[in-house]
Amino acid sequence: EDQVTQSPEALRLQEGESSSLNCSYTVSGLRGLFWYRQDPGKGPEFLFTLYSAGEEKEKERLKATLTKKESFLHITAPKPEDSATYLCAVQGGGGGSNYKLTFGKGTLLTVNP
Amino acid sequence: NAGVTQTPKFQVLKTGQSMTLQCAQDMNHNSMYWYRQDPGMGLRLIYYSASEGTTDKGEVPNGYNVSRLNKREFSLRLESAAPSQTSVYFCASWRSLAGVSEQFFGPGTRLTVL
Repeated sequence: EDQVTQSPEALRLQEGESSSLNCSYTVSGLRGLFWYRQDPGKGPEFLFTLYSAGEEKEKERLKATLTKKESFLHITAPKPEDSATYLCAVQGGGGGSNYKLTFGKGTLLTVNP
Repeated sequence: NAGVTQTPKFQVLKTGQSMTLQCAQDMNHNSMYWYRQDPGMGLRLIYYSASEGTTDKGEVPNGYNVSRLNKREFSLRLESAAPSQTSVYFCASWRSLAGVSEQFFGPGTRLTVL
């Protein structure tokens, strides 16, 4: 069974204070690791998909990295508008799970001005 | 291009009542999904449809049924609602293009069962 654990559960930063969110996973045959941003009262918004260890992707102040056991979402010089819940999910490779994602519980990020 | 749309946005039911949550996507995606999101539990897959004409159970299918009406529409039905089904329900569709996979979510339906 695929499992995803995100840490910390909540993170409070000052504007400009860089940090990282962690996503640890166990999966049989990783087909993809996904990062989403979710604002209160809205659906998750796709950020990145990573496919293999060593891969990195960037978008504005966010950079996602992947190893064989975990992924990090680095936030550089965050702004208050980066405040949201960040979700991590994995797509395993076994049989009928080709189209399914397993989600972590998320990290609630608050950036204070 | 509206993406993934869901109706209704909010619903209150009494225990035992039935209802259908509607979902549509205009991106010509083959795969569609229904999730529920509860505090402290994260997103959990209820049912999915890998392509038109097929549906499969996810992690928490009990108490729900689905219909893939056509390529655009995927509905979720609660036959006899229970308080444990109080949740936020999200529909999603999946795109895989040039080796890049993305899943797009709708805005959600907030359901309360009394």
